[in-house]
Parts: sequence; structure tokens; C-alpha cells
Amino acid sequence: DIQLTQSPSSLPASVGDRVSITCRASQSISSFLNWYQQKPGKAPKLLISAASILRSGVPSRFSGSGSGTDFTLTINNLQPEDFATYYCQQSYNSPPITFGQGTRLDIK
Amino acid sequence: EVRLLESGGALVQPGGSLGLSCAASGFPFSSYAMIWVRQAPGKGLEWVSTISGSGGSTYYADSVKGRFTISRDNSKSTLSLQMNGLRADDTAVYYCAKDLDYGDSYNWFDPWGRGTLVTVSS
Repeated sequence: DIQLTQSPSSLPASVGDRVSITCRASQSISSFLNWYQQKPGKAPKLLISAASILRSGVPSRFSGSGSGTDFTLTINNLQPEDFATYYCQQSYNSPPITFGQGTRLDIK
Repeated sequence: EVRLLESGGALVQPGGSLGLSCAASGFPFSSYAMIWVRQAPGKGLEWVSTISGSGGSTYYADSVKGRFTISRDNSKSTLSLQMNGLRADDTAVYYCAKDLDYGDSYNWFDPWGRGTLVTVSS
């Protein structure tokens, strides 16, 4: 199965910061990479599909980039509601699908 | 509005069985693949199983293959997960989620239900 490695695992940041989270695949997955946001006690929410397509209703401060094995989720001008855990997920030759281990974005 | 509501979570002894359900509404259920994903306490997300819109194709993670069975009743817009031979490491919140694309793309999933907690312990 394809493995996804996210970095960092934890990311302290402040409101107004620009942050980036990376996701590396163990083999090329083209653009079959999605990003989810999960807040404590809540279900994951799809933010970005196909590496860079912002889902409807997701603020434009979120963006995704990359293809092949290296992907990045960037959040500009962090807002208080953005502090959450973020997961990447690959669907190349799905199923199976796999998730990264998660990146917890904390208030500094 | 698309809604997914899981039910059936409970405390069960090791080796026991449990059935989960996911009631769907707000979309043509039979036209979308569905998945189960679980999250152990304090841990990340783990894909469990996928089923096509018709129910004719099913897929399982190696960790549950032979023990769990995914199914769907399209007449009742209900997704199910029958879990047998439960182990302590099956303890998790179980989420159902809808394929974003019409048909069986199996690529991206949204929305997700609120989840139901399964605890396997003696």
C-alpha cells in the first residue's frame, strides 16, 4: 500500500501566520491527494481535493499544491477557527485509500 | 442537505460481534459509493471498507478482512458494517462517509457522519 508521511506532526503558530504542511507519498500518486481538517470531537471535513481544488465553502486562505510524491497545504493569515488537525489522504488506485498520520496545528 | 448518521456503537467483549448502521439522506443513495473509516482514541484516521453504489463491489483493509462485512440497503438508504471477532485494537470511533463524485470514483469523501464509538474490552 501507498504510505503518506506528513510533516511536521505538530505545528505551533499564531493568528495571522502563514503555515505550510507537507505530505510525501511513498510512490507517485499523480494528483490523487486530498486534505481534510478535523476539529476535536468532530468528523473530518474535506478542504481540498485533487491536490489543489478548493472545495465549495472553504475559505480562500487555504490552498494546496503538488503532484507526484510531494504535496503542500498552505494556510495564509491563520484564523482562530483554523487550529485543528489536518490529514492528507491518497486515492491513487483506490481502494485502498490511506491517510497521513496527521498534523496538529496548535496556538503558539 | 446531505446527512449521515451512524448508530450501533457499544461496549463489546473481545471476540464479540456488533453491527453498525449509517442512515443517509439528502442525496440519491444508490448512486454513490460509501466508506467506513475509523479513528482509535487519540490516533489518526484508518480506512476500513468501501462499497460501490450498487453494493456489488466491496473492499476491506487487511486489518479487518475476514472479520468485517460492509453492506448497503439502497431501498432504505442505509449503510451497514457487521463486525465479528472483535479485538481490543478495533476500539475506535467509526465514521461513514459519502463519495463526493456521482458513480464509483472512490477518490474523495464528503461529508462524513458524526461517528459512533465502539469499545472492545472485557
